Amino acid sequence: AQSVTQPDIHITVSEGASLELRCNYSYGATPYLFWYVQSPGQGLQLLLKYFSGDTLVQGIKGFEAEFKRSQSSFNLRKPSVHWSDAAEYFCAVGFPGGSQGNLIFGKGTKLSVKP
Amino acid sequence: NAGVMQNPRHLVRRRGQEARLRCSPMKGHSHVYWYRQLPEEGLKFMVYLQKENIIDESGMPKERFSAEFPKEGPSILRIQQVVRGDSAAYFCASSPSFQGDYEQYFGPGTRLTVT
Repeated sequence: AQSVTQPDIHITVSEGASLELRCNYSYGATPYLFWYVQSPGQGLQLLLKYFSGDTLVQGIKGFEAEFKRSQSSFNLRKPSVHWSDAAEYFCAVGFPGGSQGNLIFGKGTKLSVKP
Repeated sequence: NAGVMQNPRHLVRRRGQEARLRCSPMKGHSHVYWYRQLPEEGLKFMVYLQKENIIDESGMPKERFSAEFPKEGPSILRIQQVVRGDSAAYFCASSPSFQGDYEQYFGPGTRLTVT
């Protein structure tokens, strides 16, 4: 069955440190890949997306993500974390040929930022 | 250009009552999706609608839940005879059309509490 895994439930980094959030999916072909951020009590904001082409994608707020087909991964990175990045991050996947419009979400990674 | 609107933002219902959640998509968007987020979980797809049509309801519980997106007015997610397990955040998303890329824009959510 198709699935999305975010192995880290909670990550704490110091402000200014680099960040990598992991996302793995299970699917036989290349899916559409998304990262969303959710601040407490808020909706989801799209950070970046991958459909095809260059496997390194740039997003908003200084985030980037790299698609690695061999590892079925789409990890999110940021070189220098700011306190305002503290939030929950969700990886989501759309599977072409599957249920139209149905995104499958990982369980999320909660990011805390130490001063 | 207003984003996806959801109301109410918070809803409290006693067990056995009905809950009605409303979603107004972004201007120009004709596709609406509903997701449910249980505590400590990612979002789970419930239903995908176009105007006057249910396209995919594979994620909807078989009983008590229904959704509509009429020709005029917002999309409505209706939960009859609510139970404590229905307490969750319900998110609506919209897209301009099904272009095969699955990109969706999310509203702020309705947080339903069943007492």
